[in-house]
Amino acid sequence: GQSLEQPSEVTAVEGAIVQINCTYQTSGFYGLSWYQQHDGGAPTFLSYNGLDGLEETGRFSSFLSRSDSYGYLLLQELQMKDSASYFCAVAPPASKIIFGSGTRLSIRP
Amino acid sequence: NAGVTQTPKFRVLKTGQSMTLLCAQDMNHEYMYWYRQDPGMGLRLIHYSVGEGTTAKGEVPDGYNVSRLKKQNFLLGLESAAPSQTSVYFCASSSISYEQYFGPGTRLTVT
Repeated sequence: GQSLEQPSEVTAVEGAIVQINCTYQTSGFYGLSWYQQHDGGAPTFLSYNGLDGLEETGRFSSFLSRSDSYGYLLLQELQMKDSASYFCAVAPPASKIIFGSGTRLSIRP
Repeated sequence: NAGVTQTPKFRVLKTGQSMTLLCAQDMNHEYMYWYRQDPGMGLRLIHYSVGEGTTAKGEVPDGYNVSRLKKQNFLLGLESAAPSQTSVYFCASSSISYEQYFGPGTRLTVT
């Protein structure tokens, strides 16, 4: 089976950098996705890592190490609008994905 | 493009009543999914479909049924609602499993 672990809450300061970690246990290699969800809203896709290394999309970067079964989402130049929940997800090919329980990011001015 | 739409947005049911949630997508995606999300929790997969006419069980399928008669629509049915089914229900679609597009959600309360 598959399981994912991520911190339940993280707090950071506006303008700073924050890293949200995700460790996973799977029966085979699957890519790692990240989603953002604002309170009362729907999840939106942020990034996907199918191979080891860093993927960058603007202020957001995501990293995967398959040997360590570990990934993270890095948010730079934090803005108040980045306050949201962030979910990592294990993505097997051609079917369903399994979501972690989410990390609630709170940003202080 | 409307993306993924869900009907209704809100619903209150009494225990034992039935209802159907409708999900529609206009992106020609093969894959469609139904999730439930309880307060402060992650998303749990109820059922999914990898193409028109196909359905499969997810993590928490009990008490729910689904149908995918047309590629663009995915219906979720509750035959006999229970208070434990009070939740927010999200539909999603994708052409690749790891990049899913979500609808706005249906907030269901069962009393």
